[in-house]
Amino acid sequence: AQTVTQSQPEMSVQEAETVTLSCTYDTSESDYYLFWYKQPPSRQMILVIRQEAYKQQNATENRFSVNFQKAAKSFSLKISDSQLGDAAMYFCAYRGNRDDKIIFGKGTRLHILP
Amino acid sequence: EAQVTQNPRYLITVTGKKLTVTCSQNMNHEYMSWYRQDPGLGLRQIYYSMNVEVTDKGDVPEGYKVSRKEKRNFPLILESPSPNQTSLYFCASSKKQGQNTEAFFGQGTRLTVV
Repeated sequence: AQTVTQSQPEMSVQEAETVTLSCTYDTSESDYYLFWYKQPPSRQMILVIRQEAYKQQNATENRFSVNFQKAAKSFSLKISDSQLGDAAMYFCAYRGNRDDKIIFGKGTRLHILP
Repeated sequence: EAQVTQNPRYLITVTGKKLTVTCSQNMNHEYMSWYRQDPGLGLRQIYYSMNVEVTDKGDVPEGYKVSRKEKRNFPLILESPSPNQTSLYFCASSKKQGQNTEAFFGQGTRLTVV
């Protein structure tokens, strides 16, 4: 069975600095999708970035980028120039191509220090 | 506007009193699912549906029922709620496979069972 592990329950970063959130996963599939979702205090689940496993190039969305290491099954999220609005719970998620199920990690709560 | 609509947003009920949380999506998505979110446990899938009249158990289905009579609606039913079902619930929908496979989430339902 697939699993997603986020080993950092909480992290803090100074405003304007860079922070990296870790995520590892386990799967026997070769074709799948990986996501990072942000959950601010409003509770809304917001897609931050997505990565297709067949693409070697790391995805980037403005200040958010990933380091996708397929062989190591690692999918970390880097947030550059951290802003107060980045404070949230971040979830790493996996979706295989066989049964459409999305599996979430337990989340990392990110604090931004002014 | 493409969206997933959940109701109610907040609900306080007593043990044993049947309740239904509604979920509706306007994106013609095939795949719909229900998650519960608890501190330290992330999002865990309760039930999912791959299309009309097709539903299956997720990781934590005990105490819940679902139905998928129409493509757009996927209600969650608690026949006899208990305090351990106090949680934050999310409905999500997505296309079955292919591109744009991320899940779109409702705004969440905070359920308290006393």
